[in-house]
Amino acid sequence: DAGVIQSPRHEVTEMGQEVTLRCKPISGHDYLFWYRQTMMRGLELLIYFNNNVPIDDSGMPEDRFSAKMPNASFSTLKIQPSEPRDSAVYFCASKFGQGTYEQYFGPGTRLTVT
Amino acid sequence: GNSVTQMEGPVTLSEEAFLTINCTYTATGYPSLFWYVQYPGEGLQLLLKATKADDKGSNKGFEATYRKETTSFHLEKGSVQVSDSAVYFCALSPNSGNTPLVFGKGTRLSVIA
Repeated sequence: DAGVIQSPRHEVTEMGQEVTLRCKPISGHDYLFWYRQTMMRGLELLIYFNNNVPIDDSGMPEDRFSAKMPNASFSTLKIQPSEPRDSAVYFCASKFGQGTYEQYFGPGTRLTVT
Repeated sequence: GNSVTQMEGPVTLSEEAFLTINCTYTATGYPSLFWYVQYPGEGLQLLLKATKADDKGSNKGFEATYRKETTSFHLEKGSVQVSDSAVYFCALSPNSGNTPLVFGKGTRLSVIA
């Protein structure tokens, strides 16, 4: 299995631009999580989906952030407009089943907003 | 609420030294406990887990014992290697996996030859 795939791996953009991060979960996994990692705040859960339905988006920082999962094999996290404080590493993770614990993380997207 | 507190880093050790990274938790009920490791430039990966009190999780020479009486899950390794340099995250699952993991802030370990 290829594991969780994220693209791009690195993104540099200017303040005010729209940014779209992409994630392909492991085939067959029915949970998908988006995290943000910064030095100051550590690892933060932004939103998670079960069977493509958003379950909890209370971690999404503000309306500039939105996430979608149109099908079981693809999710996007969009920031519009982007701001310098959005600079972070964004991780996607997936897992299978309600009673399982292990989450499989992608390699992350390093976002820099100048 | 549910939370995890782990020792702040960075931790710098010489090769073959003994490692302890402290982790304590607050949770309702009986959570499952985990250590994840993040190597440079990579995502997190599960290192070990324990699902009930007194369980010991172990992997790659690392161990951690679920201590309900002290609400702790300290990570230990008898002899660290340079290749163990990474960030280590303690985490808990509040119930039977139905809700997301709650992570600590991470502890950066650097092992020097």
